[in-house]
Amino acid sequence: DQQVKQNSPSLSVQEGRISILNCDYTNSMFDYFLWYKKYPAEGPTFLISISSIKDKNEDGRFTVFLNKSAKHLSLHIVPSQPGDSAVYFCAASGTGNQFYFGTGTSLTVIP
Amino acid sequence: GAGVSQTPSNKVTEKGKYVELRCDPISGHTALYWYRQSLGQGPEFLIYFQGTGAADDSGLPNDRFFAVRPEGSVSTLKIQRTERGDSAVYLCASSSNGGEAFFGQGTRLTVV
Repeated sequence: DQQVKQNSPSLSVQEGRISILNCDYTNSMFDYFLWYKKYPAEGPTFLISISSIKDKNEDGRFTVFLNKSAKHLSLHIVPSQPGDSAVYFCAASGTGNQFYFGTGTSLTVIP
Repeated sequence: GAGVSQTPSNKVTEKGKYVELRCDPISGHTALYWYRQSLGQGPEFLIYFQGTGAADDSGLPNDRFFAVRPEGSVSTLKIQRTERGDSAVYLCASSSNGGEAFFGQGTRLTVV
């Protein structure tokens, strides 16, 4: 049972434009959400997180939005750069200690 | 080193053999996680340590899998009687105070 879902396996964006990656979750007990970026043959790298008490968190070119009523979060990257090309994983945690991951979205930023 | 270190980076073993995968977490991180990632999937939780004890091992798929962290630092994931379905990338992560987890580069296990 997939509790965190990323329904778009891939996304292509022109350099300089906005990339929007989406994530949905089913467990209303989740209260902490994270985005990870993964290059081939490397482990996931933490990018940005958000607590359920907020609806937005911004860090440079990266902004995460959380819509608790819709159980939806999104990652915005603007402006997108070719170095942003990677697989992005959404993750969530709640009262337990494990993180639940989505299946990832492969982002390609076209120069 | 500054990050999470996993060894070996690649391991090929024959079906039925025993393997050990090692994780050296970030110094001072009390929480340690093992995840498994199959092709096209996100990381799947296996086990979580807080200090020396396994606080949550609910993700271990069966009793062929076992992990230890005897001194609260380095952890070893042990797989007995390996099967072809165990082939995956095994990821270790550590964190402090339950915040974001920092991952190692993973061990790619191939069972032939």
